[in-house]
Amino acid sequence: QQQVKQSPQSLIVQKGGISIINCAYENTAFDYFPWYQQFPGKGPALLIAIRPDVSEKKEGRFTISFNKSAKQFSLHIMDSQPGDSATYFCAAPRGHGGSQGNLIFGKGTKLSVKP
Amino acid sequence: GAVVSQHPSWVICKSGTSVKIECRSLDFQATTMFWYRQFPKQSLMLMATSNEGSKATYEQGVEKDKFLINHASLTLSTLTVTSAHPEDSSFYICSASYPSGVREQYFGPGTRLTVT
Repeated sequence: QQQVKQSPQSLIVQKGGISIINCAYENTAFDYFPWYQQFPGKGPALLIAIRPDVSEKKEGRFTISFNKSAKQFSLHIMDSQPGDSATYFCAAPRGHGGSQGNLIFGKGTKLSVKP
Repeated sequence: GAVVSQHPSWVICKSGTSVKIECRSLDFQATTMFWYRQFPKQSLMLMATSNEGSKATYEQGVEKDKFLINHASLTLSTLTVTSAHPEDSSFYICSASYPSGVREQYFGPGTRLTVT
């Protein structure tokens, strides 16, 4: 079973600080790496995603850094705010061809941003 | 764009009864829809993948006769939990992918099922 290993399990950051969540994958054929944000009692929301032909993608305060040789990708949340407190999941496609969109999820990181 | 809805948002049913959960893509046609189950403080567990007009593909360990999935149109998939038991109580989430084959997957708000 292909895996996506996510760390840390939980993270506490002061308001204004940088939150960093890491994921490691195994399959070098993975070609899409999204991050999802989930608030309690809600479905996950696509936050930002990257393809392996770029090393970094930035959208507002959220940045994905991708290290193909290390098979790792990370989410950086700049100027973290209490409203960012949520659980974050990294993911990677499990299949290809007929399995378009089928994703493997990391175990999640619960982020708490303290005011 | 890319809005997925679920109905109901929560449901309580008695043991032995069946309950149906609907998943709709509101502003796009979804060739593929996915059903997940999520236990408290855990990650998403894929239950099955459904493609419009064909039988769903179930993950190993998921009882297809217990979790009936129908994907009758490009905007609607349903999950029916048959003969529900308390251990079926969980948060069920659907997601949908664009038909263009891109990887993006958009999730519904989830349905909280409680079986008493």
